[in-house]
Amino acid sequence: AQSVTQLGSHVSVSEGALVLLRCNYSSSVPPYLFWYVQYPNQGLQLLLKYTSAATLVKGINGFEAEFKKSETSFHLTKPSAHMSDAAEYFCAVSKGAAGNKLTFGGGTRVLVKP
Amino acid sequence: GAVVSQHPSWVICKSGTSVKIECRSLDFQATTMFWYRQFPKQSLMLMATSNEGSKATYEQGVEKDKFLINHASLTLSTLTVTSAHPEDSSFYICSARDRWTGDEKLFFGSGTQLSVL
Repeated sequence: AQSVTQLGSHVSVSEGALVLLRCNYSSSVPPYLFWYVQYPNQGLQLLLKYTSAATLVKGINGFEAEFKKSETSFHLTKPSAHMSDAAEYFCAVSKGAAGNKLTFGGGTRVLVKP
Repeated sequence: GAVVSQHPSWVICKSGTSVKIECRSLDFQATTMFWYRQFPKQSLMLMATSNEGSKATYEQGVEKDKFLINHASLTLSTLTVTSAHPEDSSFYICSARDRWTGDEKLFFGSGTQLSVL
């Protein structure tokens, strides 16, 4: 069985500050890991994915995530928050590639303060 | 880019009635669609997987007679909540796998907020 835990349902950051969203997973097989973002009234968009290649994955909008097997973590970071980063972020895991069914974390809502 | 159009975005209905939610892939063919449900402050939970032209596969604990899924074409999948009750009130969201990019990417609809009175 797979599971995903996102620490913190809400995160508040100042504009220009570091964004750090935590994600830990459990999986019986080597996982495929994803971060999705959901803006208000929109569908989920893929930010980035880890598929057993490089452990540091760069995504869109300046986000990146690092896969750490020893810590079973896949934390998402962005060096400098922008107001447009305010959204809900979901970490997810699948046994296969992106096209397989996903197990999601509970989501983290990011608020960016001016 | 590829878009999945989901309608309606929100719906309020009376207990005992049925509600249909549609997901359309607008510029690609979706061989597989996934239906998720999200209760307030909880994660998205997979309900079922539908493949075009065949019966949907439901996750454990999801009543297939209550949540009817039809995927009759490569661009349309529907979820019908039959005899809805207040406990069915939730956020429902679909995702589609592109027939040609296959496992590379999933595309999500914008979701439907269902409120059953």
